[in-house]
Amino acid sequence: DARVTQTPRHKVTEMGQEVTMRCQPILGHNTVFWYRQTMMQGLELLAYFRNRAPLDDSGMPKDRFSAEMPDATLATLKIQPSEPRDSAVYFCASGLGTRSNQPQHFGDGTRLSIL
Amino acid sequence: KQEVTQIPAALSVPEGENLVLNCSFTDSAIYNLQWFRQDPGKGLTSLLLIQSSQREQTSGRLNASLDKSSGRSTLYIAASQPGDSATYLCAVRLETSGSRLTFGEGTQLTVNP
Repeated sequence: DARVTQTPRHKVTEMGQEVTMRCQPILGHNTVFWYRQTMMQGLELLAYFRNRAPLDDSGMPKDRFSAEMPDATLATLKIQPSEPRDSAVYFCASGLGTRSNQPQHFGDGTRLSIL
Repeated sequence: KQEVTQIPAALSVPEGENLVLNCSFTDSAIYNLQWFRQDPGKGLTSLLLIQSSQREQTSGRLNASLDKSSGRSTLYIAASQPGDSATYLCAVRLETSGSRLTFGEGTQLTVNP
C-alpha cells in the first residue's frame, strides 16, 4: 500500500532551536497538507499545497513557521525559533485535487517536544 | 466559521454490541464529510467519505449516514470487536473552503472483550 512517510517520528529539543519536519507524499498526489494535533486544540490545519504551490497557510504562525515543497516528493515544515507551546504531533497528509472526493491520506506524524 | 462537534467524547461497550457515534456541524454547505479512525501513536485512517449528494456509505460493518439539512452524520458500527477500539473523528469539507477539513474532537471508543 502507498503511504505518506514522515520523518523524524519523534523529536525532542530545547527552545530556540530550529526544527525541520519532512514528509514524502504518496506518488501521484498533488495536494499536501500539514496539520497539528494537541490535546487542547485537536487537529488544526496549518497549511496546504497544490502542485507544490502554497494555497492556504492561514493556520500557520508565520513569524516562526515556514512550509515548502522543494519538489513533488518532499514537503518540509520548519519552526525557527521553536517554543514550548509548539509541542504537538505534526501530521502530513496528501490527496488529489480541489474537486476530488478522494480521502486524504495521513502519515504517522512527528511527535515534537520543545523543552 | 464551521464548527464540528462529536458526541459522546468517550464510549465503552462490551464486545458484540452495535453502536452509534454522532457528529454535528454548523454550516450545511458541505462538499463532503469523512470519518477517520486514529489508533494511539498513529496517523488518521480514512474509513468512509460521504459526498454532499449522498445519504450514506457502507464498508463492511461500518455505515455512515449524512443529513445535510440538519447538520448531522452518524457512524454505525455493527457487532463491535476489541480491534475497533480507537478514536473516531469526523471531518467536514465546505464547498467554499478548497480542500480544508474541519475536524471534530473525536470519540474515544473502547470495546471490551
